[in-house]
Order: sequence, then structure tokens, then C-alpha cells
Amino acid sequence: QKEVEQNSGPLSVPEGAIASLNCTYSDRGSQSFFWYRQYSGKSPELIMSIYSNGDKEDGRFTAQLNKASQYVSLLIRDSQPSDSATYLCAVNMGQGGGNKLTFGTGTQLKVEL
Amino acid sequence: DTGVSQDPRHKITKRGQNVTFRCDPISEHNRLYWYRQTLGQGPEFLTYFQNEAQLEKSRLLSDRFSAERPKGSFSTLEIQRTEQGDSAMYLCASSLDGAVNTIYFGEGSWLTVV
Repeated sequence: QKEVEQNSGPLSVPEGAIASLNCTYSDRGSQSFFWYRQYSGKSPELIMSIYSNGDKEDGRFTAQLNKASQYVSLLIRDSQPSDSATYLCAVNMGQGGGNKLTFGTGTQLKVEL
Repeated sequence: DTGVSQDPRHKITKRGQNVTFRCDPISEHNRLYWYRQTLGQGPEFLTYFQNEAQLEKSRLLSDRFSAERPKGSFSTLEIQRTEQGDSAMYLCASSLDGAVNTIYFGEGSWLTVV
């Protein structure tokens, strides 16, 4: 089992729709969770972080965390063509994970006109 | 620009040659990380430093790879006797020590081994 799993996609949504991206992780001791956006040929850009169960909203983005289910998601409301990118889920597995981020393979999102 | 900077941004080298990448972290950040990313994959952890101490190295970091952070500021990643499988984007990132460990990436250094 991979430590952080994401569906590779592509996930296609029409402009203006809600895009829902999902991620599961294996280590119950994981402490903090991040979503990065990566455009083709560019480096990852941090867009959201979440540390406790529930929802966290920032503009059009909402991160959701459920530690009991070991599940974290990212919702993008009013999707725009500029949101087309790969979204990487990253997990800090704490002391046992060496204070580093472990990444999923990313989900490619395509927002269609 | 006060972000993480990496140099060179692109490097093409012949198999068997040595290459070195440099990373300058965000100035107040004491943690520095190196990751490698190949096409279609997420970044894979290579190593990290807290100040000048190298605290962890991945099994991915073969003996051909060496990283240093001599004064706790910039870092170098050297790959000796490059192989075609080393072709990837090498990402440097930095963060502040603390309970919240938000990591910021540089633009990456693309390596192509021909």
C-alpha cells in the first residue's frame, strides 16, 4: 500500500463547476496535510494546509480532513480554466516520518470551457 | 525575490559526468530539503538538513549522491557519474522548525542525462 494515494485522473470538470480531489494516507500518526498545485513543467505551489478534523476554507478552495478515515480532500468551487493543473496531496507523518512531506502521485485536473 | 532559489535551472550532461546543484533557502528557514520528481510522479524525498546537520537520507540517495549545507545557509547536491535514470527535476524546499512545518519549494533544477 502506498503511503499517500491519489487517483491520477485526469479529472475533467466544466468551467464553473465544483472539482473534488481526494487523497488517502496510511499512517494514523500523520499530523499535518497539504495540497500543492503544480503546473506542467513548474514546481509545486502550496495552496492549502489543514491540521485538524473538519473543513478549512480559503477563497474558492476548501480542504476537508477526516483522521478517523485517513482521508483528506480538496474542493475547488467555481472552477476556472486556470485551475487546470496537477494537484498533489502531501502528508507530514510527524516524528515517525522524519519531519518531511510524503507526496501522492497527484491528480490531474482539467477545467473545460 | 525572497523565495527559495535554485541554480542552474536546467542542466544537460553526458552520462558519467558529475553535476552539482545549488539551493538558497528562504533566509530565516533552518530546515532545507531535497526532493526528486520524475514525469507523472509526485516529489520523492531525498534528504533534509536542520541547520548544517543532515538529519535524514532516503534509500533513494545512492552513494553517487551527496548533499551538503556547510554553514547552515545554502546547500549543494552533487551527483557523481550520472546515469540516464538520474534525469529528473531536483527540487529544493525550506521550512521553519516548529510544530507547523510548512514547506516551500524552489523552481527546481531540471537534469537531463544524455
